[in-house]
Amino acid sequence: NAGVTQTPKFQVLKTGQSMTLQCAQDMNHNSMYWYRQDPGMGLRLIYYSASEGTTDKGEVPNGYNVSRLNKREFSLRLESAAPSQTSVYFCASSPTSGSPYEQYFGPGTRLTVT
Amino acid sequence: QQQVKQSPQSLIVQKGGISIINCAYENTAFDYFPWYQQFPGKGPALLIAIRPDVSEKKEGRFTISFNKSAKQFSLHIMDSQPGDSATYFCAASSQAGTALIFGKGTTLSVSS
Repeated sequence: NAGVTQTPKFQVLKTGQSMTLQCAQDMNHNSMYWYRQDPGMGLRLIYYSASEGTTDKGEVPNGYNVSRLNKREFSLRLESAAPSQTSVYFCASSPTSGSPYEQYFGPGTRLTVT
Repeated sequence: QQQVKQSPQSLIVQKGGISIINCAYENTAFDYFPWYQQFPGKGPALLIAIRPDVSEKKEGRFTISFNKSAKQFSLHIMDSQPGDSATYFCAASSQAGTALIFGKGTTLSVSS
């Protein structure tokens, strides 16, 4: 049981390049989330998916797109990277029953845009 | 508009001392208040959480105190240890399956 996994762990992009951050969970959770973490800012929600086939914008969605590929996988795409998107990106998931509020986080992807 | 305000930004405590981190919220619809612990290079991990129907929850050396009328909650770490040195985030949510709203974090350093 790996929990929430993210790839890649590190990435350096040039301004204007695109890339997709991958996230997968093996806990059979319905809800998945993408957050970004910046120094002194806490974690801010980019997008979330309450269930397979649905996605909703969070606090800071501009410049990002997401795909809920299936119940396990939730990807985040940067179409044209900007230096302001330099951050650490965390994927998380939560169950629907039992403890539906509890979110489990992956190890993060550290992205630098030059 | 920041919905969850966390203080202090950083905290230095001696080994064996009590660490206290405070959070205040604005949205009265919040009904779940977790604390997350994050070590350098790792993702946040749930430490302890409370619902507003209780005023205190204790798990080992970690206690959440909750004051609904003041819209405040705090984390107390008793007998603080060097291994507790990490960044702590409070958060709040109003609905399962939606976003957690995080405070900006407190970096705790426990000196030996």
